[in-house]
Amino acid sequence: DQQVKQNSPSLSVQEGRISILNCDYTNSMFDYFLWYKKYPAEGPTFLISISSIKDKNEDGRFTVFLNKSAKHLSLHIVPSQPGDSAVYFCAASGLPGANNLFFGTGTRLTVIP
Amino acid sequence: KAGVTQTPRYLIKTRGQQVTLSCSPISGHRSVSWYQQTPGQGLQFLFEYFSETQRNKGNFPGRFSGRQFSNSRSEMNVSTLELGDSALYLCASSETTGGYSAFFGQGTRLTVV
Repeated sequence: DQQVKQNSPSLSVQEGRISILNCDYTNSMFDYFLWYKKYPAEGPTFLISISSIKDKNEDGRFTVFLNKSAKHLSLHIVPSQPGDSAVYFCAASGLPGANNLFFGTGTRLTVIP
Repeated sequence: KAGVTQTPRYLIKTRGQQVTLSCSPISGHRSVSWYQQTPGQGLQFLFEYFSETQRNKGNFPGRFSGRQFSNSRSEMNVSTLELGDSALYLCASSETTGGYSAFFGQGTRLTVV
């Protein structure tokens, strides 16, 4: 059963506009959330993370928002650039006795020049 | 600092054979985790090794096994290969166990024919 879900397999946005990628999770015990970016033929690259004690974390053009009550997080990219085109995975960790990341299925972002 | 190195990058095997994949973590990192990525399934956790001990195991059959050496390098073995084992196998390393800020290698693309 998929504990972390990314319901949008793909997203297209115009260069310069905002990209919003969404992620939902089912287990309220998760205490740490991460976003990874993956280009073809490369491994996922860590992008940004957030602890469950926060509701927002910002790093340059990337901001992650966490809504614990809704078990939802989102990644905002502003402004979007063509180089941002990649597959984005959200991941969660922190379950007792499970020292691993639980990944969503990914969202392919295409930024149109 | 060198990144996570996985070898080989590509592999073609026949059903019924066995395969061994290798992962060298970032220097100083003692945790190595393995993930399987297939289309539509995202990244599925296989197992994690920390200081030569398996700390956690995902929901995969016993044909999937691994080990970690004293220098933190890890190997993953799949015996009696099936067509469904065709996937990208990713290794991630981190300083401590727990899935936080894991750094991924480029992966090994395994094709079973």
